[in-house]
Amino acid sequence: EVQLVESGGGLVNPGGSLRLSCVASGFTFSSFSMNWVRQAPGKGLEWVSSINSNGNFIYYGDSVTGRFTISRDNSKNSVYLQMDSLRADDTAVYYCARDRGMGVGSTQYFQNWGQGTLVTVSS
Amino acid sequence: QSVLTQPPSVSATPGQRVTISCSGSASNIQNNYVSWYQQLPGKAPKVLIYDNNKRPSTIPDRFSGSKSGTSATLDIIGLQTGDEADYYCGTWDSSLSSYVFGTGTKVIVL
Repeated sequence: EVQLVESGGGLVNPGGSLRLSCVASGFTFSSFSMNWVRQAPGKGLEWVSSINSNGNFIYYGDSVTGRFTISRDNSKNSVYLQMDSLRADDTAVYYCARDRGMGVGSTQYFQNWGQGTLVTVSS
Repeated sequence: QSVLTQPPSVSATPGQRVTISCSGSASNIQNNYVSWYQQLPGKAPKVLIYDNNKRPSTIPDRFSGSKSGTSATLDIIGLQTGDEADYYCGTWDSSLSSYVFGTGTKVIVL
């Protein structure tokens, strides 16, 4: 059974940093692209970032480019989201999601999702 | 501001059919695969449809998807109270080099 478990959320001051982690199990992690998707309270889904299976191809949404960094460690079955210069509008539940295969782009879809971790940016 | 537009809500009584539209453009829906996600209240999203019209094996055939030009559609037939949820379309946008979600549609079972 595919399992994705996010951690690292919490309360942080505006301008601060936070690192989210997602540990995967139940599949060959190194064969799949991974993603972060967020959802602000009462709002819709927003794609944040994608990383392909070996980490060579990375994409970011416009709202986080230059502030967030996605990475992965295939030896630890983990994907990370380093979030810097956090703003109030980054407040959201952050979901880790597994893609269908190795690549990113036109064939992407989010096959499996974690339960999410809440990030609150407030003073 | 999402590049994919969905109606805010649709409603029907149990057993009826609902249709949810997703309107985009040539850079997203027309030239890339569309997927649909269901988000039950307080839960993580779940994929219902991928590659425009394919269903994961665990999804009942009451759910179907289609695409024509710059629009996609999700149909739910035999509506059940358990289908009350938010539904999102999604696809890659080749111009933005980004994955984009629709604005979301709340299905209300009367």
